[in-house]
Amino acid sequence: DAEITQSPRHKITETGRQVTLACHQTWNHNNMFWYRQDLGHGLRLIHYSYGVQDTNKGEVSDGYSVSRSNTEDLPLTLESAASSQTSVYFCASSKIEGDGELFFGEGSRLTVL
Amino acid sequence: GQNIDQPTEMTATEGAIVQINCTYQTSGFNGLFWYQQHAGEAPTFLSYNVLDGLEEKGRFSSFLSRSKGYSYLLLKELQMKDSASYLCAGIYGQNFVFGPGTRLSVLP
Repeated sequence: DAEITQSPRHKITETGRQVTLACHQTWNHNNMFWYRQDLGHGLRLIHYSYGVQDTNKGEVSDGYSVSRSNTEDLPLTLESAASSQTSVYFCASSKIEGDGELFFGEGSRLTVL
Repeated sequence: GQNIDQPTEMTATEGAIVQINCTYQTSGFNGLFWYQQHAGEAPTFLSYNVLDGLEEKGRFSSFLSRSKGYSYLLLKELQMKDSASYLCAGIYGQNFVFGPGTRLSVLP
């Protein structure tokens, strides 16, 4: 079965460290998204991609970057982790058509000390 | 921005009916999704509305009024396992914009 997987599922790091969260989908979806979820804010869009070599900033992109070298993967990098980036991160993908539902990974819980 | 608004918490009794409302900005709107999210888990798809009217799927129904920028999710015959957060998400272009989520507690 097609799926979307994230790794690591849990990570603890220190302020200033570089962190990369991996996201891999086998749906062959063009669209991929990274969200963070915090109490009181719901899901907020960090970065998104509509296809290979395409990346775009979302609502809360400061301090994050992504790259899209193939259809399957959209890694999220925190260049210099900050305590404000402690959150649960969800990767998601959808078909290119606007009515394609969003499929979520299981989430990655990141703690920055 | 495309503000999506929904109540943050609701409580209902097992066996009852509950309606969760969602309002959104209509400019650029393409459709509306409802997702269910249990604590510590990923959101899962419940329903999709693009045209006005009611979509029924078992115990869950979702309604959309495009002219009013309004949707609701109706849950019937509530069960304890329905205790979860319910996320309203509008489609703008190819992007999903989420509301804050409604945490529903089902009491015995």
